[in-house]
Amino acid sequence: AQKITQTQPGMFVQEKEAVTLDCTYDTSDPSYGLFWYKQPSSGEMIFLIYQGSYDQQNATEGRYSLNFQKARKSANLVISASQLGDSAMYFCAMREGRWGGADGLTFGKGTHLIIQP
Amino acid sequence: DSGVTQTPKHLITATGQRVTLRCSPRSGDLSVYWYQQSLDQGLQFLIHYYNGEERAKGNILERFSAQQFPDLHSELNLSSLELGDSALYFCASSVVGAGTDTQYFGPGTRLTVL
Repeated sequence: AQKITQTQPGMFVQEKEAVTLDCTYDTSDPSYGLFWYKQPSSGEMIFLIYQGSYDQQNATEGRYSLNFQKARKSANLVISASQLGDSAMYFCAMREGRWGGADGLTFGKGTHLIIQP
Repeated sequence: DSGVTQTPKHLITATGQRVTLRCSPRSGDLSVYWYQQSLDQGLQFLIHYYNGEERAKGNILERFSAQQFPDLHSELNLSSLELGDSALYFCASSVVGAGTDTQYFGPGTRLTVL
């Protein structure tokens, strides 16, 4: 079974609108971390935001916020006031285990976001 | 710029050959991870090294191996290359390798096997 599901392969959004990128996850580990990365067409992976399973508040980083709904196992990325430079692939990822987990990140298939002027 | 460096940026080689990809982590980071990104498999975790020791293996083929040196740089060795090994190979680094650590990615090495 997929551990990270991103159901939107592609999205078109008008510039300056808010965007929500969906991510659901599957784990039985009570301790885990959720990450969002941006991959522009140039190929590099850029870290955007992190949410820990024990964090009480939703994470925010500038225009990025994470809508964390633990009971629903969802961790949607919200981008406020989208800009043309936000056009990219966006990946949701999870890492299980707080201190004992040594495994790498498990990634979803990504959402290709295109911001239109 | 994440502070993680990878060389070379591009590599073109033939089937059956062997290549070495190099990664230098961010200053102060002890953990290095290797990932493969291909069109059919997506982003996959290959292997994790912490302070010179192997910590975890993911979907790494037996033809692939890695090591982390005392100066903390890491190398990923790919041998008996096949067409299907063509992919973007990333390394990422984090402070200690805990589950809460953020992994910062290098720019990647694009490998083309002809």
